[in-house]
Amino acid sequence: EAGVVQSPRYKIIEKKQPVAFWCNPISGHNTLYWYLQNLGQGPELLIRYENEEAVDDSQLPKDRFSAERLKGVDSTLKIQPAELGDSAVYLCASSPKAGGGQETQYFGPGTRLLVL
Amino acid sequence: GENVEQHPSTLSVQEGDSAVIKCTYSDSASNYFPWYKQELGKRPQLIIDIRSNVGEKKDQRIAVTLNKTAKHFSLHITETQPEDSAVYFCAAGGTGGGNKLTFGTGTQLKVEL
Repeated sequence: EAGVVQSPRYKIIEKKQPVAFWCNPISGHNTLYWYLQNLGQGPELLIRYENEEAVDDSQLPKDRFSAERLKGVDSTLKIQPAELGDSAVYLCASSPKAGGGQETQYFGPGTRLLVL
Repeated sequence: GENVEQHPSTLSVQEGDSAVIKCTYSDSASNYFPWYKQELGKRPQLIIDIRSNVGEKKDQRIAVTLNKTAKHFSLHITETQPEDSAVYFCAAGGTGGGNKLTFGTGTQLKVEL
């Protein structure tokens, strides 16, 4: 079974430029998560999708971050414009569901973003 | 919201010794507690999880204990090996909260030969 796929793996941009990250979850997983991981810290949830619906985006800085999950499968996270403080690893995870014993989250390899 | 504290931040043990990492959580509604291992530059990988209806779970050299009353849970690794060296994260969450996980700050485990 293929795991969660993310691209690109690395991205270097200048501040004020836009950037986008792509995630393909494990096949059949309804729930998709985007996390931010700063160096030396644990992942922090940005947004959670149930199928194509964003059900928890309370931690997403909506002035510059946006996300979408068209057709309830792949997802894209965008930052526009990027700031120096956005430099971090952006992790995508998926789970079969959000509960009922199927809430185990499987992570992708992440996209390491460096904003100069 | 949930708050998870993890200790210690770094842990160095000799190969073959045991390692224990402890976490506390604040939200009594949390009922799901996974542990992830993350090697440098790689994805977090689930190593074991426990739900609030059990107090202990074991998988070979790894065990997790949960004390709901005290709101703390611990990871125990026995007979440590060099390949156990990594950063370990605890997390707490609940299906009532839509499976939102709050992670601890991580423990850098180093197993020395």
